[in-house]
Amino acid sequence: EIVLTQSPGTLSLSPGERATLSCRASQSVSSSYLAWYQQKPGQAPRLLIYGASSRATGIPDRFSGSGSGTDFTLTISRLEPEDFAVYYCQQYGSSPPVFTFGPGTKVDIK
Amino acid sequence: EVQLVQSGAEVKKPGESLRISCKGSGYSFTSYWISWVRQMPGKGLEWMGRIDPSDSYTNYSPSFQGHVTISADKSISTAYLQWSSLKASDTAMYYCARLAAAGTYISYYYYMDVWGKGTTVTVSS
Repeated sequence: EIVLTQSPGTLSLSPGERATLSCRASQSVSSSYLAWYQQKPGQAPRLLIYGASSRATGIPDRFSGSGSGTDFTLTISRLEPEDFAVYYCQQYGSSPPVFTFGPGTKVDIK
Repeated sequence: EVQLVQSGAEVKKPGESLRISCKGSGYSFTSYWISWVRQMPGKGLEWMGRIDPSDSYTNYSPSFQGHVTISADKSISTAYLQWSSLKASDTAMYYCARLAAAGTYISYYYYMDVWGKGTTVTVSS
């Protein structure tokens, strides 16, 4: 079973700053199988990135994903007020299909 | 518009049964798997299991196998999550999510591209 670890647990930044969120897998993951989600308080999660680096429909280009193997990164180039939220990485495993979420990184206003 | 509409909040007593629903619209319901995800109060996301509505094939996370049942009625584009005997520890928000597929026929992968708004389940005596 692959375990995902996200760091930091909380990231305190100001609007306009760059956010770099890390997701580390306990064993190598196909980069196609890594996704990122954003969840704001009281709302359902929203898909941001799939296939490690492909932005979902309607996601601004200030969000980007990268990485391979065991280390993946979500970068928000310039934080907007609406970006303060919790971010989860998620890994897909096949045969049988399983989905594992990381514990999340909270991005809050400094 | 692609939507997943979930049933309303539930308040139940321990030992009671419950079925919550997730109705898909705006797309071909049988062309996408549906997953269920639990979020306990103040906690993260946990994948529970998924169903292929075209044939009702399911598989579950080991953490939830035997504790819940996922089903679907493709005639009404609806997936279900049910419990036969609720516990206080089942108190949580439950989300359904559509699983989109990408890749090639050699190696597909899946991600949750559309989410329902969630159903709150409260189990208390």
